[in-house]
Amino acid sequence: DVKVTQSSRYLVKRTGEKVFLECVQDMDHENMFWYRQDPGLGLRLIYFSYDVKMKEKGDIPEGYSVSREKKERFSLILESASTNQTSMYLCASTSGGDRSSYNEQFFGPGTRLTVL
Amino acid sequence: KQEVTQIPAALSVPEGENLVLNCSFTDSAIYNLQWFRQDPGKGLTSLLLIQSSQREQTSGRLNASLDKSSGRSTLYIAASQPGDSATYLCAALGTYKYIFGTGTRLKVLA
Repeated sequence: DVKVTQSSRYLVKRTGEKVFLECVQDMDHENMFWYRQDPGLGLRLIYFSYDVKMKEKGDIPEGYSVSREKKERFSLILESASTNQTSMYLCASTSGGDRSSYNEQFFGPGTRLTVL
Repeated sequence: KQEVTQIPAALSVPEGENLVLNCSFTDSAIYNLQWFRQDPGKGLTSLLLIQSSQREQTSGRLNASLDKSSGRSTLYIAASQPGDSATYLCAALGTYKYIFGTGTRLKVLA
């Protein structure tokens, strides 16, 4: 059974802290994504990666960075957490070398982050 | 810029009813369209993927269709059950990335 796991289901951090969210997939997928989901705004893409050490900005990259040192792991980093980064963070992965061959996107269970 | 719309935002039906959820997209140049289910506080579960060259996909009681020329996809749920209650989202893969609709919240009443 395909699996995308995220390091925490719930996380509470203080303003200014550096926060690491980790995502691991066991499907040997090339492409991995980080989204945030907020009521009324839907899912918004933060960053994505189509290969190891490769990354591209999504719609809302400000305040975030990412790291992909190994194919199976994609980390989202909040350099200095702020209250407006309180949200549900979702990681996803899909196979396919280019968009015409992308297959199903699989999601992790999500991390509910609260920044106080 | 691609926009994906799902109407209605919420739907309540009695158990056993067949229903259709709608997804519209403004740019027909998509590679695929995927339907998901999301339970409260959880991640998204993939239901069906339709590649751009396909017209429909079926899985059990679910059938999804794609009409790129009209910018529409529908998810048909047959013989709905209370366990089908969830939010259903569609996502269109364009030249840049996936664009998600804001979902239809479905409640199936026993």
